[in-house]
Amino acid sequence: GAGVSQSPSNKVTEKGKDVELRCDPISGHTALYWYRQSLGQGLEFLIYFQGNSAPDKSGLPSDRFSAERTGGSVSTLTIQRTQQEDSAVYLCASSLETSGGDSTDTQYFGPGTRLTVL
Amino acid sequence: AQSVAQPEDQVNVAEGNPLTVKCTYSVSGNPYLFWYVQYPNRGLQFLLKYITGDNLVKGSYGFEAEFNKSQTSFHLKKPSALVSDSALYFCAVRDWGGSQGNLIFGKGTKLSVKP
Repeated sequence: GAGVSQSPSNKVTEKGKDVELRCDPISGHTALYWYRQSLGQGLEFLIYFQGNSAPDKSGLPSDRFSAERTGGSVSTLTIQRTQQEDSAVYLCASSLETSGGDSTDTQYFGPGTRLTVL
Repeated sequence: AQSVAQPEDQVNVAEGNPLTVKCTYSVSGNPYLFWYVQYPNRGLQFLLKYITGDNLVKGSYGFEAEFNKSQTSFHLKKPSALVSDSALYFCAVRDWGGSQGNLIFGKGTKLSVKP
């Protein structure tokens, strides 16, 4: 079946511009995760959605970052006034999470969006 | 706090030889452990996971991992390496301490398999 998809695959933007990254999870997966992969920081967790709700936004690196999820499906990660340090690969993952907290379900990742801020 | 360590930045193996990629963890509670592989310009691909039960877990592409509770390790292994196994490998632990279940990753180990 279809996996997690992300768009765009590559985004080059100028410092100070806003960008929007999209994630389409596997159908039926209730949990959605955003991660960021950069050379200096490795893989870091940004935000988690259970359904449309994000219970904790403290993983977002600054208040320029926001995310939403609608209809329990597609999620968008928005970065306002982009800075060069935002350059990274943004990865989205989804998992079934039928058992809620302490779930052992596997997270499946999309191909990522490579963001370059000039 | 949960953490994962991959002590080797790079592992070099000759094709046909066995390979081991090391991972150690520190968790409170049950260790839900995962291995992912990343090929160039691709996302992370799930290989295998340990939740409970048999300490030897078998996964995709002939990979397996051995969970060792006393050594807090979860090393990835393959009996006979292929050139196509060359990639970046990440060990991860599921963190339910903050009730979000996000993965905490090691820094990754680059595996290079030479013909």
